[in-house]
Amino acid sequence: QVQLVQSGAEVKKPGASVKVSCKASGYTFTSNAMHWVRQAPGQRLEWMGWINVGNGNTKYSQKFQGRVTITRDTSASTAYMELSSLRSEDTAVYYCAILSHWGQGTLVTVSS
Amino acid sequence: SSELTQDPAVSVALGQTVRITCQGDSLRSYYASWYQQKPGQAPVVVIYGKKNRPSGIPDRFSGSSSGNTASLTITGAQAEDEADYYCNSRDSSGKEVFGTGTKVTVL
Repeated sequence: QVQLVQSGAEVKKPGASVKVSCKASGYTFTSNAMHWVRQAPGQRLEWMGWINVGNGNTKYSQKFQGRVTITRDTSASTAYMELSSLRSEDTAVYYCAILSHWGQGTLVTVSS
Repeated sequence: SSELTQDPAVSVALGQTVRITCQGDSLRSYYASWYQQKPGQAPVVVIYGKKNRPSGIPDRFSGSSSGNTASLTITGAQAEDEADYYCNSRDSSGKEVFGTGTKVTVL
């Protein structure tokens, strides 16, 4: 069955960067785009961007353009999302998703 | 980017029918998907594409669309349907957008 397993919770200081991983199994990794979505506490889902896993092309939400980088390693069936210049407002659960299936989420806490 | 607007909250009596709507310009060109999210859990897709329902999703969930509005209908709501529901679509630039979310309470 399709599984997306994300890396564990992170605590970062303001100004730092965080890189979250998402290991896929149960389907052909290169056949689906991988999206990253975040949800701040008590807030709505917020789309950050996606990667065409086959060719590596990316598209980002304007809100995160310049701060977010989505990559993938096809040999490891793993996608990554790196967010830089972290601020307290970036405290959220970050999800990877092929939209039909979602990872379990990774809590990123930004605190001094 | 496009916005998708939903009513913040709706309530429904147990066993009755509730319709959740999602409005946005992108819906004139692209289908909406619908996600159910329960507290502390990742979203689960309940409707995708034109009106497709993934395996394992009860047939009381159905989707429809007209003009700039997509709808999710729960016919015969059950207690376990109490959750937040989000619509999702893409816009003309290939970016995705999620709706503002609707909290469904089953009375």
